[in-house]
Formats: sequence, structure tokens, C-alpha cells
Amino acid sequence: DSGVTQTPKHLITATGQRVTLRCSPRSGDLSVYWYQQSLDQGLQFLIQYYNGEERAKGNILERFSAQQFPDLHSELNLSSLELGDSALYFCASSAFSAGVGDTQYFGPGTRLTVL
Amino acid sequence: AQRVTQPEKLLSVFKGAPVELKCNYSYSGSPELFWYVQYSRQRLQLLLRHISRESIKGFTADLNKGETSFHLKKPFAQEEDSAMYYCALRGPSGSARQLTFGSGTQLTVLP
Repeated sequence: DSGVTQTPKHLITATGQRVTLRCSPRSGDLSVYWYQQSLDQGLQFLIQYYNGEERAKGNILERFSAQQFPDLHSELNLSSLELGDSALYFCASSAFSAGVGDTQYFGPGTRLTVL
Repeated sequence: AQRVTQPEKLLSVFKGAPVELKCNYSYSGSPELFWYVQYSRQRLQLLLRHISRESIKGFTADLNKGETSFHLKKPFAQEEDSAMYYCALRGPSGSARQLTFGSGTQLTVLP
């Protein structure tokens, strides 16, 4: 499967902990986007990386950080977790950072539950 | 600020009936508009985008800049169309490229 992959599928942890979510983009895609989907906020953009560099930032908390590695996979780090961080975290990838028609392809998501 | 509004959280229609999922947006410029669909237990996938002016699975959507709307329509709904539908907006080339999503509409097509 050459689509976007995310690991783990599910993650259950306690408040105050730190977790790392991983995303592998589609083969050849240079951009990775992270989105958070929660019941009260809907789907919200967090951050974008393009070819290893941060490109755009959305409503990402200071407790959250991300990076994109030379092999283009990305990790989203969530620290000092709170109950309200429980959500589905999606990763998407696209071929380019800019340009009309650039399509974002989504991964299956990681469901984070903070107890 | 850019914003996408989908006024209906839930929408039920009978099989064979027409369906329209509403989407309104606010953006000071010329955005790109998209419809994404999420079938049960599957990932979000692109259904269509306004620049392509295409019809996918019988769905069409026309961008109405005067009314700032991008409603999704299908003349005859099928049971397999039952899914969550999200309208999304993106700024034009050269601006921020992230998607701004609406809150989604859960469509149920009844037999």
C-alpha cells in the first residue's frame, strides 16, 4: 500500500505523559500536514512540513511539536497531555507545498485517549 | 479569517431521492473548495474539487461566489452514499496551503 500510513492506530495514556505519533507520506510526496479531529473543535489544522522544513502553523499548542525527517516521514510529539487532548489525529500528504490542484491524501488516523 | 459552515449535522434521505449538502464559506479572495468523504471506518478521501468541475459517483458541486456557497448535490441518492461529508477550503496558490474544514454532515440514505 503506497498510501499514507500512521502508527499507532490507537494510543491510551495518562495525563501528564508524552506520546509520539508517526506518519509516513505517500511515495514521492514532499508535504506532510497534521490535523486534529475532536468532537467540540472538528477537524483543525495543526502544522505542515515541506521537504523537512516547517511551512505553516495552525492552532498547535506549545506542548505539541512536530518534525519531518530526511526520509520524509513525520512525527507529532504531544507532551504534558491533558484530557482535552483526546482526539483523532490525522496526517495528510501532498506532492507539493503550493500550486493549484495539489491534493492532500489522508492517513487512517491515530486515536489518542488520555485518561 | 477563513471559515467553512455546514449547517446540517445530520441529513437523511430515501434511496433514489435527490440530496443536497450545504456548504458556505467566508474568505477574502478566491479560495479552492473541496468536498471530502469519510465512509464508515475508512479514511478521509477527496470526493471532488471545484477547479476540476468533475462529477464523481454522481455528485456535483458548483462554486457560487456571489452566495459564497459550494453545495454538494446528487440527483438520485444510493445507500452506499451514506457517509460523513466535509466541505473544505484552501487559500490560493502562494498562500497557506492547509485545509480549513467545516464541521461535517452525516448523510444517511434510507432504503
